[in-house]
Amino acid sequence: EDQVTQSPEALRLQEGESSSLNCSYTVSGLRGLFWYRQDPGKGPEFLFTLYSAGEEKEKERLKATLTKKESFLHITAPKPEDSATYLCAVYGGATNKLIFGTGTLLAVQP
Amino acid sequence: GAGVSQSPSNKVTEKGKDVELRCDPISGHTALYWYRQSLGQGLEFLIYFQGNSAPDKSGLPSDRFSAERTGGSVSTLTIQRTQQEDSAVYLCASSMTGEGVYGYTFGSGTRLTVV
Repeated sequence: EDQVTQSPEALRLQEGESSSLNCSYTVSGLRGLFWYRQDPGKGPEFLFTLYSAGEEKEKERLKATLTKKESFLHITAPKPEDSATYLCAVYGGATNKLIFGTGTLLAVQP
Repeated sequence: GAGVSQSPSNKVTEKGKDVELRCDPISGHTALYWYRQSLGQGLEFLIYFQGNSAPDKSGLPSDRFSAERTGGSVSTLTIQRTQQEDSAVYLCASSMTGEGVYGYTFGSGTRLTVV
């Protein structure tokens, strides 16, 4: 069964304190791994898609990496406006939809 | 439209009543998805439309839940005889094709509260 596990469930950082969020997945034949950001009261907002192991993508203070078993979302020198829930999802195997993890709630304190 | 639009944004209903939730996808997007997000839970898949057909309804939790899509555009999710456990945020997403590899664009959701 396709499965996505995110850790930690919640993370509190000081402004400027870099860290990483983890997304472990089990899917036969990964075709895409997605990172989304979700702010309170809003729908998920697309950040990155990674398609194959070894791939990396960057956007401002965020960098996403992918291996055959997991993905990391690295946050460098975060700011309070980076506070949100970060969701990971996979597409692949026999499924025809994205399978989501439960997310990591990130709080960045000034 | 420019994005995925959902209405209403909030809905409070009494237990036992029926509710309809609406989704307007991005123009030209052939694939449409409904997900449910409960407090502290991940996004739970409900149903997938390709055009007006629903090839995957596997996530609908009971026969009280149904959905339709007309004109390859607007979709309505109907919950009959609502129960308190139906309280959640219902998210709609659309994609250019049914190939999820391109990712989805989500609406802001409908927060349903059953009292």
